[in-house]
Amino acid sequence: KQEVTQIPAALSVPEGENLVLNCSFTDSAIYNLQWFRQDPGKGLTSLLLIQSSQREQTSGRLNASLDKSSGRSTLYIAASQPGDSATYLCAVYMDSNYQLIWGAGTKLIIKP
Amino acid sequence: EPEVTQTPSHQVTQMGQEVILRCVPISNHLYFYWYRQILGQKVEFLVSFYNNEISEKSEIFDDQFSVERPDGSNFTLKIRSTKLEDSAMYFCASSEPSGRVEETQYFGPGTRLLVL
Repeated sequence: KQEVTQIPAALSVPEGENLVLNCSFTDSAIYNLQWFRQDPGKGLTSLLLIQSSQREQTSGRLNASLDKSSGRSTLYIAASQPGDSATYLCAVYMDSNYQLIWGAGTKLIIKP
Repeated sequence: EPEVTQTPSHQVTQMGQEVILRCVPISNHLYFYWYRQILGQKVEFLVSFYNNEISEKSEIFDDQFSVERPDGSNFTLKIRSTKLEDSAMYFCASSEPSGRVEETQYFGPGTRLLVL
C-alpha cells in the first residue's frame, strides 16, 4: 500500500531564505507526483506536476525534483516571501488504481 | 481563469440526514473527483468519474455515498445517511480535456460538512 510522508511537518524560516520541503513515497509505480498549496480553510492549488519520466519541473521561484527509483521528491522555494506561508502537500498518482495518494503536508511559515 | 466551484461552502446537518454536495467542474474537463479531508488528517481520495460512470472508488466510498452528473455542468456527491465521522472538508476536482488520467487536477474551494 502506498504511503506518502512529508518532512518536516512544520517549518518556520525568515523571509528571503531558500528552503527545501521533502516528500517520500514507498511504491515507485507512480504516474506522476504533484505539489499543492493549501491555505487555511481553503482549497488546494496545484503548484507543479512532475511526470514519472521527468526529473524536475520549475515554475517561478519553485522547483520540484523527482527521484522515482528512491521514492523521493523535493520542493525548493527560492527567496521565500511571507505570502508563501501555507501548507504544502505532495500527492502521487498511482498507475495501479488511478488515485491520488496524499502526504500529510508541511506547514510553512515565513517570518517577515 | 476557469475554476471549479462548490456549493455550499459550509453545511451543518443532523446525523442520519441526507446531504448533497454540489460541484461545477471546469467546463471542458472530462474527469471528475471527490476527496475529503477530516480535520487535521490527510486528504483522502473518494471517487473518480468519467464518461458518466465511476472509474475508481476507495474503501471509504461505501453504499452510503453516490455521485451523479445530473446535467452538463453539475457533479454531485450524495451521502444518504450521514454519520458523525462524515464531518470533513469535501473537495471536488476536475482534470484536463485530454482525458488522460495523469493530467493536473484542479480543485474547488471545498465544502465543510459538520454532522451533529
